[in-house]
Amino acid sequence: DTGVSQDPRHKITKRGQNVTFRCDPISEHNRLYWYRQTLGQGPEFLTYFQNEAQLEKSRLLSDRFSAERPKGSFSTLEIQRTEQGDSAMYLCASSPRAFRQDTQYFGPGTRLTVL
Amino acid sequence: AQKITQTQPGMFVQEKEAVTLDCTYDTSDQSYGLFWYKQPSSGEMIFLIYQGSYDEQNATEGRYSLNFQKARKSANLVISASQLGDSAMYFCAMREPFAAGGTSYGKLTFGQGTILTVHP
Repeated sequence: DTGVSQDPRHKITKRGQNVTFRCDPISEHNRLYWYRQTLGQGPEFLTYFQNEAQLEKSRLLSDRFSAERPKGSFSTLEIQRTEQGDSAMYLCASSPRAFRQDTQYFGPGTRLTVL
Repeated sequence: AQKITQTQPGMFVQEKEAVTLDCTYDTSDQSYGLFWYKQPSSGEMIFLIYQGSYDEQNATEGRYSLNFQKARKSANLVISASQLGDSAMYFCAMREPFAAGGTSYGKLTFGQGTILTVHP
């Protein structure tokens, strides 16, 4: 059973460019979360998918951000017209539909640097 | 709204000794989950231990135990027999409940983290 994977691990881009990140959750995990972590801070919630449906979005998710999870498998997070303030670690987590624990297992993250 | 507070920016411990990392929380929910994650310099968040709000016994996982004091709203992590590989950032997190009717979906709220350094 492989863990959560994310691609790319690192991304350097120039301000104004668009970037897209991919997350592959643990197989059969129907819940998928995106978080953003800036330097020295704890992760902050961005958005949640249950299967293919995006059910919750944070106010942090401006209209430049869009996320999808087609067919309820992998997910993508796109940032359009990147800004220097978007520089952060973007973490993806998945969890099974379990009654008790619902532990979220995280991927290695994508570190974005906007120049 | 949920809030997690970790008041120790950094902690030092000697190898093979025990260390306690503090975490207090605030919530109006009756049902919630408390988690501890370890984040090494590589960046990946590694799940360590879980405590449910209705669990009467403190959770334990190997060298990790969670000192859960519900009335005081604290969920401290105890690491016994520290190892050099324990040096990392540690985050306490609270999971909101999955609410009927679809108003909340279990997102995590994290504290600021505590950097643990284990000395040989």
